[in-house]
Amino acid sequence: GQQLNQSPQSMFIQEGEDVSMNCTSSSIFNTWLWYKQDPGEGPVLLIALYKAGELTSNGRLTAQFGITRKDSFLNISASIPSDVGIYFCAGLVLSGGSNYKLTFGKGTLLTV
Amino acid sequence: GAVVSQHPSWVICKSGTSVKIECRSLDFQATTMFWYRQFPKQSLMLMATSNEGSKATYEQGVEKDKFLINHASLTLSTLTVTSAHPEDSSFYICSAETGTSGRGRGDEQFFGPGTRLTVL
Repeated sequence: GQQLNQSPQSMFIQEGEDVSMNCTSSSIFNTWLWYKQDPGEGPVLLIALYKAGELTSNGRLTAQFGITRKDSFLNISASIPSDVGIYFCAGLVLSGGSNYKLTFGKGTLLTV
Repeated sequence: GAVVSQHPSWVICKSGTSVKIECRSLDFQATTMFWYRQFPKQSLMLMATSNEGSKATYEQGVEKDKFLINHASLTLSTLTVTSAHPEDSSFYICSAETGTSGRGRGDEQFFGPGTRLTVL
């Protein structure tokens, strides 16, 4: 099945530093998404990417969809304590019929 | 914004009993809902896709007789873990799709807060 390789697995950074994480896949995805999950909560969508090469920002967050549609990165600038959590990349594909499904990366644990 | 709730938020049960988890879309109608399972420090794994009024589509390796899914209305889907055992202990998360574009888009899928199941 399709797998997303996400790195790094964890990061320890100082407040104010910039953060970068990425995801790669051997498969092409229609859409790439980045989520943040706080402990004991469901994931919350941060950024969605639809077009190859697309660069999208959401406040201090910036994400890009790779030109091959097989990779993406997420940058967080000037990190603050509330950025702590697990960040997941996810790819959206057609799963059969008219259904779409998400495949998640293994996550990056960010500690500030 | 679109809000999805889950009930209960946590449950502890004895081995061999069945547990029902509810997923509700509070302010929109969801023709499609998804059920995920997440083990500690691991990723979310899709278990099944649930379409209103039809049978759920289960992912490979997920036992449909053990994880019963019912999507009886446009705002409610339920997951029943039958004859639960300790290895079923996990964090179960649902999501609901608004489907406003007429086809699935990642930004139309909203996640519930999850249900922590512990089987003793």
